[in-house]
Amino acid sequence: GQNIDQPTEMTATEGAIVQINCTYQTSGFNGLFWYQQHAGEAPTFLSYNVLDGLEEKGRFSSFLSRSKGYSYLLLKELQMKDSASYLCAVMDSNYQLIWGAGTKLIIKP
Amino acid sequence: IAGITQAPTSQILAAGRRMTLRCTQDMRHNAMYWYRQDLGLGLRLIHYSNTAGTTGKGEVPDGYSVSRANTDDFPLTLASAVPSQTSVYFCASSDTSGDTGELFFGEGSRLTVL
Repeated sequence: GQNIDQPTEMTATEGAIVQINCTYQTSGFNGLFWYQQHAGEAPTFLSYNVLDGLEEKGRFSSFLSRSKGYSYLLLKELQMKDSASYLCAVMDSNYQLIWGAGTKLIIKP
Repeated sequence: IAGITQAPTSQILAAGRRMTLRCTQDMRHNAMYWYRQDLGLGLRLIHYSNTAGTTGKGEVPDGYSVSRANTDDFPLTLASAVPSQTSVYFCASSDTSGDTGELFFGEGSRLTVL
């Protein structure tokens, strides 16, 4: 079956760096997405990786290794507003998105 | 710019009742989706539509139906609601011809079936 694994919850300190990992086993691969979801709100798009390597976008970076079925989202200079759930999703060979359960990130002052 | 609008925002419903969740987008996206989100689980696809006039079943379609009469609207109907359909429902759209095909989500409809 298809599976996306990410930690359920992580805690980090304001101003620090945190890495949220995502491993996947899917039928084919057509890209990996990261979304941010604040409590009670809709998910919003953060990043997209389809080739191996690092994509940087401001304080957020996303890395992909297709051979390892692995991605991470790196958040730098953490701010209190970064407290949210981070959702990893993989597009399979049928162009359907398979979603992880999300990682709840708690930022402490 | 509204993006995607869902209605109602929240609803309490008696089991056995029929309910339609409305979804409208103004971005002229070709594809639209309905997901449900439950605590501890990833977003699960209920139904989708790749273009107006066509629909398809997702991972958890039972008990739900959809229609796509035009580009903008994609209503989700629960013919006879059951308590297991208590969830937060998100409508989303995407331009599948774009670079990433990223999804744009509505604000969600929180449905409680008693």
